[in-house]
Amino acid sequence: EVQLVESGGGLVQPGGSLRLSCAASGFTFSDHYMDWVRQAPGKGLEWVGRTRNKANSYTTEYAASVKGRFTISRDDSKNSLYLQMNSLKTEDTAVYYCAKNMWSGSYYAFDIWGQGTMVTVSS
Amino acid sequence: QSVLTQPPSVSGAPGQRVTISCTGSSSNIGAGYDVHWYQQLPGTAPKLLIYGNSNRPSGVPDRFSGSKSGTSASLAITGLQAEDEADYYCQSYDSSLSVFGTGTKVTVL
Repeated sequence: EVQLVESGGGLVQPGGSLRLSCAASGFTFSDHYMDWVRQAPGKGLEWVGRTRNKANSYTTEYAASVKGRFTISRDDSKNSLYLQMNSLKTEDTAVYYCAKNMWSGSYYAFDIWGQGTMVTVSS
Repeated sequence: QSVLTQPPSVSGAPGQRVTISCTGSSSNIGAGYDVHWYQQLPGTAPKLLIYGNSNRPSGVPDRFSGSKSGTSASLAITGLQAEDEADYYCQSYDSSLSVFGTGTKVTVL
């Protein structure tokens, strides 16, 4: 079964750091681009960032709202994706989802999503 | 603030047809990027509903269909069912970065 399982969420104070993990199974993780998407309570989906695969030099991209504070990495030997979040703000409070990319014919869609992990930034 | 605009809500009676629009611009949908659609049932993760503007993943009923024209895209649900009550999001790219629509809540009357 193709599956993504996030972990690492919790309560953190403003200015603090947190590292999220996403464990993949059921597919060849190393072949795929992987993204993080978040959803603040009662709000819509917001793209956070992407890591490409080895063939594309593991390059990363980030939304403007997190650039310079968040870092996406991956360990293909462990089938795992990570999101290092630093200098956290209250507005980073959200459920964080990892998502697998699939080629749609001319660009990428997110065909598999994890169940999400909640991050709360509060004093 | 999302660059893809959707109506906040749409509603319909069981069996009816509803459509959800996703309006973008020349830097995203109009630039030729595919539009994808996701369904999010209450309390669950999003699920891919339509990819590449009009393609359904395996297991998605053919009641769901997508189209794209110019700087906009649409999702249609025909034969609306109670289990279709959910939030729906379009997704595309703007300057090669992923963007989501503002989201639409579908209510089955």
